[in-house]
Amino acid sequence: DAKTTQPPSMDCAEGRAANLPCNHSTISGNEYVYWYRQIHSQGPQYIIHGLKNNETNEMASLIITEDRKSSTLILPHATLRDTAVYYCIVRVRVIAAGNKLTFGGGTRVLVKP
Amino acid sequence: IAGITQAPTSQILAAGRRMTLRCTQDMRHNAMYWYRQDLGLGLRLIHYSNTAGTTGKGEVPDGYSVSRANTDDFPLTLASAVPSQTSVYFCASSDTSGGSYNEQFFGPGTRLTVL
Repeated sequence: DAKTTQPPSMDCAEGRAANLPCNHSTISGNEYVYWYRQIHSQGPQYIIHGLKNNETNEMASLIITEDRKSSTLILPHATLRDTAVYYCIVRVRVIAAGNKLTFGGGTRVLVKP
Repeated sequence: IAGITQAPTSQILAAGRRMTLRCTQDMRHNAMYWYRQDLGLGLRLIHYSNTAGTTGKGEVPDGYSVSRANTDDFPLTLASAVPSQTSVYFCASSDTSGGSYNEQFFGPGTRLTVL
C-alpha cells in the first residue's frame, strides 16, 4: 500500500472551510484514496473515498490531483463537532478479500469558535 | 439500530489472565477486523476475517487469537494477558461484495487495562 503524509495538526475557524491535505506520491493506478476520522474516544468513521475523479457527499468533498499524487479533503462548513483526527489512507480495493486499513498518524483538526 | 456492538466497554485485568473481547455486527457484512489503538497512536490491525470460517493475521497478531464461527460474531481472545496489551480495541466490519467499496464500520471500542 502507498504511504501517505499528512500534517500532524491544524486549526480551523467554525463555519469556515477546512482543507486537509494528503500526499501519496507512490500511489499506484489501482489504489483508492480513503478518508476516515476519529472523534475523541470513538471508533473511526468513514468519510469518503475516490480513485481519480473529485467526489462529494453529505460530509465532505475529496479533490484528487490529476497525477493522483496528492489529495485534499474539504469540510465545507466546519463545526465544533468536526474536531477529530482525520486519516488519509491509500488502499487497493480488493474484492472479496477485505480491505485492511493501515492507519498513519493522521491530522488532528481543532475547530475553534 | 444496525451496527457493531462490543463488550465489555472497559475492563481491568490482572496479568496472566485469559480475556475474550466480544464483537457482534448485524449488517451481515462478510469481513470483520480487530484493531488496537495505543495512546496517541493510530490503529494497528491485529486479526481479520474475510468470511465466516476463515481468519488471517494482521500487523500485530502475537498474543491474540480469533475465531469466526458465524457471520455476526468475531471474538478476540487474549490467552494470557500482559501489560503491553493495555490498549483500546476496536472491532470493524465491511461488506466486500462486488458492488461495495469496502468502507469499514467501527464499533465503540473496548478499553483494556492489564496490570
